[in-house]
Amino acid sequence: AQKITQTQPGMFVQEKEAVTLDCTYDTSDPSYGLFWYKQPSSGEMIFLIYQGSYDQQNATEGRYSLNFQKARKSANLVISASQLGDSAMYFCAMRANSGYSTLTFGKGTMLLVSP
Amino acid sequence: ETGVTQTPRHLVMGMTNKKSLKCEQHLGHNAMYWYKQSAKKPLELMFVYNFKEQTENNSVPSRFSPECPNSSHLFLHLHTLQPEDSALYLCASSQTTGGFSNEQFFGPGTRLTVL
Repeated sequence: AQKITQTQPGMFVQEKEAVTLDCTYDTSDPSYGLFWYKQPSSGEMIFLIYQGSYDQQNATEGRYSLNFQKARKSANLVISASQLGDSAMYFCAMRANSGYSTLTFGKGTMLLVSP
Repeated sequence: ETGVTQTPRHLVMGMTNKKSLKCEQHLGHNAMYWYKQSAKKPLELMFVYNFKEQTENNSVPSRFSPECPNSSHLFLHLHTLQPEDSALYLCASSQTTGGFSNEQFFGPGTRLTVL
């Protein structure tokens, strides 16, 4: 079975600062993928970034980067230069090869960016 | 229309009503998913379709009945629901269900309230 743990129910950050959202995972599969999604108040889940378990480098997408520490089973999302529009729920998710299509989500972290 | 669309965006129904949620994807994908998002709970996978065939049913009560007439459309038929079924129902699609790097694209969701 797979499990995602997001221990921060809420985070506050000032505009233009960087913020790290924590995610730890548990799986016995050697092959897996890790995802981060953003969910604004409108409800839509927006894909942000993906990291494969065999990827040698940490994934980056614009202002988003994934701090992947395989030995610690952590996949933290780093948002640099926060913007007001970054205020939303953020979900970490994973899929293991043996999990077929199942995407397991964490409970999410609410990020609030203040001016 | 682009991406994944869902209608209606909001639905209020009584426990004896019958209603349907509709999802349409304009991405040329072959896999479609229904998720349930309740307050303070992780996103729960309900059903998976791959090339119009149901491949996963995550122990969902029979009062939820999915239908996938083609790879672009997915329905969720609702009847005799309970108040605890009130939630945000999200539809997603992906190229296929196989492989752990398969990114899922989500629709904006239907906010369902059962009175």
